[in-house]
Amino acid sequence: KAGVTQTPRYLIKTRGQQVTLSCSPISGHRSVSWYQQTPGQGLQFLFEYFSETQRNKGNFPGRFSGRQFSNSRSEMNVSTLELGDSALYLCASSYETGGQETQYFGPGTRLLVL
Amino acid sequence: GIQVEQSPPDLILQEGANSTLRCNFSDSVNNLQWFHQNPWGQLINLFYIPSGTKQNGRLSATTVATERYSLLYISSSQTTDSGVYFCAVATGNQFYFGTGTSLTVIP
Repeated sequence: KAGVTQTPRYLIKTRGQQVTLSCSPISGHRSVSWYQQTPGQGLQFLFEYFSETQRNKGNFPGRFSGRQFSNSRSEMNVSTLELGDSALYLCASSYETGGQETQYFGPGTRLLVL
Repeated sequence: GIQVEQSPPDLILQEGANSTLRCNFSDSVNNLQWFHQNPWGQLINLFYIPSGTKQNGRLSATTVATERYSLLYISSSQTTDSGVYFCAVATGNQFYFGTGTSLTVIP
């Protein structure tokens, strides 16, 4: 099976812009979770989607949003970008809702905000 | 949320040496995984181990859920083992990651 894919792999934006990142889970997986990784804060949970419903949300401002489509592909959007949003954004998928099973991660999207 | 502490934060080994990485967590969990993050940022699953012991080649892991800790053993380390090792725990649908152990294996 193909692994988790994320697009784009690299992105440069300026403050105030918005960005949309995409994640395609492993075929058959219904849960998609998003994480932000920065040197200062480490890996932090953003949100999890299961069967098109947001099941859980981390402690991030409302500028961070996401959605999941009927084919389980997921997008996350960050509006009004700030310098501190520069990070590696990782997506993970699992068959069932993420808490009970192995999560498989994609290669990530590196976002640089100038 | 659950606090996850990993030790040591940094580790430098000579090739061929053995090591033990530790993960302590602050509350009961229903999922625990160990990951290796390579220099390109990719997180690779090593073990799904909410309890018990598992082995995969030179790597093994043990989780003692009642005492809220997990250990990752690396034997006969190789330069390709270098990278950051993360422990992640979950209760419900949300994962909490430790700050990682950065391992450098020198030839």
